[in-house]
Amino acid sequence: GENVEQHPSTLSVQEGDSAVIKCTYSDSASNYFPWYKQELGKRPQLIIDIRSNVGEKKDQRIAVTLNKTAKHFSLHITETQPEDSAVYFCAATPIKAAGNKLTFGGGTRVLVKP
Amino acid sequence: EPEVTQTPSHQVTQMGQEVILRCVPISNHLYFYWYRQILGQKVEFLVSFYNNEISEKSEIFDDQFSVERPDGSNFTLKIRSTKLEDSAMYFCASSVGGGPGEQYFGPGTRLTVT
Repeated sequence: GENVEQHPSTLSVQEGDSAVIKCTYSDSASNYFPWYKQELGKRPQLIIDIRSNVGEKKDQRIAVTLNKTAKHFSLHITETQPEDSAVYFCAATPIKAAGNKLTFGGGTRVLVKP
Repeated sequence: EPEVTQTPSHQVTQMGQEVILRCVPISNHLYFYWYRQILGQKVEFLVSFYNNEISEKSEIFDDQFSVERPDGSNFTLKIRSTKLEDSAMYFCASSVGGGPGEQYFGPGTRLTVT
C-alpha cells in the first residue's frame, strides 16, 4: 500500500521567512495530494491540494509543487505569520471509483516566532 | 459554512466495554470516512462508506469495529470490546464525491481506554 513520509517533523521560522515541508510517497498510482492544517485542538482543514496533471499550484502565500518522477511534493509558505503556527499534514490518494482513502504523512509542527 | 460534527468530544471507557462514536456528516455529502490518530503518530485510515456499504477498510478495521448509518444524518463507529491500544483521537470525515477531492473533517473524539 501507499506510504507517505514527511519532513521535517518540526520547523521553527522567524516571522516573514519562508517555510518548506517535503513529502515523499511510494505508490505511483497516487494522483491527488492534499495538505491539511491542524491548529491546536481543532479539526484538520484543507489548505491546498494538487492533482498529478499539475506541477505547481499557488494560493496567495501558499504553494505546492509536485514531482511525479521523483514521487515527492512540497508545501511552501511565504511571508510566514504567527497564525501559520500549526501542524501540517500531507496526504496522498489514488483515483478510485469510490471512497478514496487518504494516506497521511507524519505531520510537521510549524512554529512561527514573532 | 456546514461542518462535520462529532460526539462526544471525549469518551473514557474501561477495557472490554463497547463504545459508539457518533458523527453527523455534511448534509449533501455521500461518502463518509473514519480515521484515527494515536497520540504522536500519523493519522490512519480506518474505513470508507458509501451507499450503506463499506467501500474500503484498513487492516486496523477488524471484526471489533463496525460502522452504520442508522438514519439520514448520523454515521457511527462502534468498537465492540475496547482494548488499551484503541485509545486515540477518532476523526470522522465526509466528501461530496468519492473521487479525489476535499474530505471535510470533524473535530474528533478522543477515546481513552483504561
